[in-house]
Amino acid sequence: DTGVSQNPRHKITKRGQNVTFRCDPISEHNRLYWYRQTLGQGPEFLTYFQNEAQLEKSRLLSDRFSAERPKGSFSTLEIQRTEQGDSAMYLCASSLRLGPQNEKLFFGSGTQLSVL
Amino acid sequence: DQQVKQNSPSLSVQEGRISILNCDYTNSMFDYFLWYKKYPAEGPTFLISISSIKDKNEDGRFTVFLNKSAKHLSLHIVPSQPGDSAVYFCAARRPGNTPLVFGKGTRLSVIA
Repeated sequence: DTGVSQNPRHKITKRGQNVTFRCDPISEHNRLYWYRQTLGQGPEFLTYFQNEAQLEKSRLLSDRFSAERPKGSFSTLEIQRTEQGDSAMYLCASSLRLGPQNEKLFFGSGTQLSVL
Repeated sequence: DQQVKQNSPSLSVQEGRISILNCDYTNSMFDYFLWYKKYPAEGPTFLISISSIKDKNEDGRFTVFLNKSAKHLSLHIVPSQPGDSAVYFCAARRPGNTPLVFGKGTRLSVIA
């Protein structure tokens, strides 16, 4: 399978616990994005990486959210001290951007987080 | 502040007829527009895109029209098939290293 892979598919946790999600992008893609989607809304941008560099993180929802892409391959998104309002679908996408050109994002199936 | 608006939450169309999904945007800096389709329990999949230098792009049964003066784009699906039933998201981007901005989506139901 050469698509974007996200694990786990579902995560149920208690309020106050930390959770970590993993994303494996398409292997030749240099950009990796994290989005969040809540019911009835479109995907909302959180952060993105070009190779291992995190180029934008101001949209992360709070300082409880952090993301890494240590070797420019897979990425993790961590939420500390989860709150019920963090319940959402967390989507990862990757793309190959070689220069100032229009890029297309390829999404994974997402991780559905439920905070009880 | 919704920069990309899909004002119809849902649309029902008979199989074989045309489906028209609409999208409006407020940011005149957007220069690239995309449509994504999403089935339940799956991530969005890319459908078709258009650059602001064009007013139409066609790919098989799917055509996207862009009206820059009205800040409006539409996706036409002809003929509609039951397998087209999904949520369709409109997305847009400004030039440079900027992320895609998505609308809230329109749920299309194609009735056999």
